[in-house]
Amino acid sequence: QLVLTQSPSASASLGASVKLTCALSSGHSRFAIAWLQQQPEKGPRFLMKINTDGSHIKGDGIPDRFSGSSSGAERYLTISSLQSEDEADYYCQAWGTGIWVFGGGTKLTVL
Amino acid sequence: QVQLVQSGSELKKPGASVKVSCKASGYIFNNYAINWVRQAPGQGLEWMGWIHTNTGNPTYGQGFTGRLVFSLDTSVNTAYLQISSLKAEDTAVYYCARGGERGGDNWGQGTLVTVSS
Repeated sequence: QLVLTQSPSASASLGASVKLTCALSSGHSRFAIAWLQQQPEKGPRFLMKINTDGSHIKGDGIPDRFSGSSSGAERYLTISSLQSEDEADYYCQAWGTGIWVFGGGTKLTVL
Repeated sequence: QVQLVQSGSELKKPGASVKVSCKASGYIFNNYAINWVRQAPGQGLEWMGWIHTNTGNPTYGQGFTGRLVFSLDTSVNTAYLQISSLKAEDTAVYYCARGGERGGDNWGQGTLVTVSS
């Protein structure tokens, strides 16, 4: 069964960088994932798709401060030069034949 | 640009039904599936299922069978989510999202459904 695991929370200072992790369950290390951002009181926003080789395709208008990478069964989202508006919930999402799966989300606090 | 625009908030009594719409624009509607996602208050995203926009064939996620109906009106590029026999625990924000090779790459703004007597 495909399961995505995320840390519930993360924090970093304004202007710093943070790396969020999404771990794919055993046997599913070749799945691509998408990262979604959900700012307070807003709907999810597609940030990027990350492939197994770490290549990524960003959504329209996503700043260069957001980047993605991959290692084994883990997919990462790195946000550099943190701004206050980056404080949000971040979800990873995977998809298979006719099914979507979400991670539990990471709440990012910008200090 | 791609847009998914959902209908407005709803307040319903237990036992009633609700129908949420999701109007797509800016792309060829039949080329992408429409997925539905629930977010209960203070909780994460929960996939409800999807509808094939070519065939109209719905697929319901685990735990979402019985009271849900996904439907389409392709003449107006609109997908619908209907929930019947509403319960208090159905109170949530419901999102539609376009599904393709990038997963959920475009989302509606969400529709808050509140079930209360």
